[in-house]
Amino acid sequence: GAGVSQSPSNKVTEKGKDVELRCDPISGHTALYWYRQSLGQGLEFLIYFQGNSAPDKSGLPSDRFSAERTGGSVSTLTIQRTQQEDSAVYLCASSRGEKETQYFGPGTRLLVL
Amino acid sequence: GNSVTQMEGPVTLSEEAFLTINCTYTATGYPSLFWYVQYPGEGLQLLLKATKADDKGSNKGFEATYRKETTSFHLEKGSVQVSDSAVYFCALSDSNQAGTALIFGKGTTLSVSS
Repeated sequence: GAGVSQSPSNKVTEKGKDVELRCDPISGHTALYWYRQSLGQGLEFLIYFQGNSAPDKSGLPSDRFSAERTGGSVSTLTIQRTQQEDSAVYLCASSRGEKETQYFGPGTRLLVL
Repeated sequence: GNSVTQMEGPVTLSEEAFLTINCTYTATGYPSLFWYVQYPGEGLQLLLKATKADDKGSNKGFEATYRKETTSFHLEKGSVQVSDSAVYFCALSDSNQAGTALIFGKGTTLSVSS
């Protein structure tokens, strides 16, 4: 069956621009997670959705980062006024329920020049 | 807070060698433990998991046992193959909290040569 998909796979942007990253979870998965993978910090949790609500936003690094999820499905992670330190691979994962195994997408590689 | 520590890499082995990648954790509550693998150019894949003490997770010849007394979840394989070359991540989630994010170790790069 179809796994988690993310788009774009690669994104190059200029410092100060806004970017939107998209995640399509596995059909029927109610929980959705965003993580960031960078050389210096390893894999970091950003935000979690259960349905359309985000009970845990504790990992968002600054107020430039926001995310939403609509229809209990697609999620968008938005980074405003990008900085070079935002360069990383942004990973999305989904799970059938809140305590179920998380399945990861291929990631979006973001490079801020 | 919760954390995962895994051995630094890279680990370089010859084909058919025995593999151990150490992982220890610090957690409040009763975490579930995972090993994820990231093959070159691919996304993270769940390799195996264990949800309670003394459980053994296994998959593709890899295994790891949840040791509460030593707070460890070491990954082992008896005979590695070139195709096992990848980055391996140990992770935990706190089963007492709904929707808790995974906390990952830094990752260990394994390189297997023929």
